[in-house]
Parts: sequence; structure tokens; C-alpha cells
Amino acid sequence: DVKVTQSSRYLVKRTGEKVFLECVQDMDHENMFWYRQDPGLGLRLIYFSYDVKMKEKGDIPEGYSVSREKKERFSLILESASTNQTSMYLCASRRDFSRSDYGYTFGSGTRLTVV
Amino acid sequence: SQQGEEDPQALSIQEGENATMNCSYKTSINNLQWYRQNSGRGLVHLILIRSNEREKHSGRLRVTLDTSKKSSSLLITASRAADTASYFCATGRNTGGFKTIFGAGTRLFVKA
Repeated sequence: DVKVTQSSRYLVKRTGEKVFLECVQDMDHENMFWYRQDPGLGLRLIYFSYDVKMKEKGDIPEGYSVSREKKERFSLILESASTNQTSMYLCASRRDFSRSDYGYTFGSGTRLTVV
Repeated sequence: SQQGEEDPQALSIQEGENATMNCSYKTSINNLQWYRQNSGRGLVHLILIRSNEREKHSGRLRVTLDTSKKSSSLLITASRAADTASYFCATGRNTGGFKTIFGAGTRLFVKA
């Protein structure tokens, strides 16, 4: 069964800490994505990556950065965590950007609380 | 603004009944996808319908797409308590980069 694995289900971090959220997929997918999900706002795209070492800003990249050194791993970094970054973070992957007819495979999510 | 907007925001039905959720969108699309999310978990891809398709089935799921009205519906037949979840539509567009936009979801509660 194909999988996207997020390293933590729950995290509590202090304001100002540097936070790393890790995501690994075992499907050899080219594309990987980080979303955050907040009540009433749906899913908002933070960053995505078409391939190794490539990254593109999504709709809300401020306060975040990403790293994709290997195809299977896509990391989201909160440079200096703030309370407004308390949210559910979802990682997803998808085959082949050039062909649109694929759905996403999501991880189980990381619920991050910044105190 | 949201590309996909689901209606209703919440729906409560009895087990065995059918559940219908709607999604409207604003611009042209290449495909429309439906996802399910159980409480506190990630999203699970249910079905994808292309812009040149009008209807698609998968088990107890039936999806329709009306591009002239820019709307889609998801029908779950003979619902079960295990269908209790949030359901999201997502529209896929190729705008020089392929972009998928998710709606805010419909919360479905199926009473046993």
C-alpha cells in the first residue's frame, strides 16, 4: 500500500523555536506538497516541489521554508515559530506534474501547537 | 476566493439514506476531485472526474460534473456510520503550472 508518512502526529513548540516537519513518500512521486488546514479556511498551499532540489512558493509561504534533497523526502521548516502557525499540517505527493489526471496521496497530518 | 465551494457545510442523515454534497467553482478546470477526511487525519482521494466526463462511479459513490454550471455533486448511496467524515472537492487547473484548489468541505454525520 502506497504511503506518505509524516514524522509526528502531534507537536508542541515554543514561540521562536525552529521547527522541522518531515514527510517521506514511498511511491517515487515527483511532486510533493505542504498544506496547512485551519477551520473554515480549507487547505492552503504553503510550498510545493516538482522534483528533487526544486521548490515553488504556494499561496502562504511567509514564515516557512522547505527542503527537498532526496526525491522521497520533503521537509517543511518554520524558521521562527509563532502562535499563528498553530495548525494542522498536511503533506501530500502526486505523480507527474505534466499530467494532470492524478489525485494526491496525503499523510496523516501533524497537528502543531505553538505556545 | 475559494475555487471550490461545497454545499451544504454540514449534513446529518440516518444510516441507509443517501447523502448528496455539491461543489461549485468559478473558473474552467481540467478535472475535479473528491476527498474524504476522517477527524484529525489526512485526506483520502476518492474519485477524479475529468472535464470531458459527465458522470463517474466508484462503489457506492457517484460523481457528476456539469461544466456549463461549473458544479459537481458527490452522491453516497446507502450511507453507513463509517461514512461520517468531511468531504472536500478540489479543482485542478493547468495555468502554466498545474494547480489544485481545495474547498472548505462538507461535514457529513451518519447516525446509526
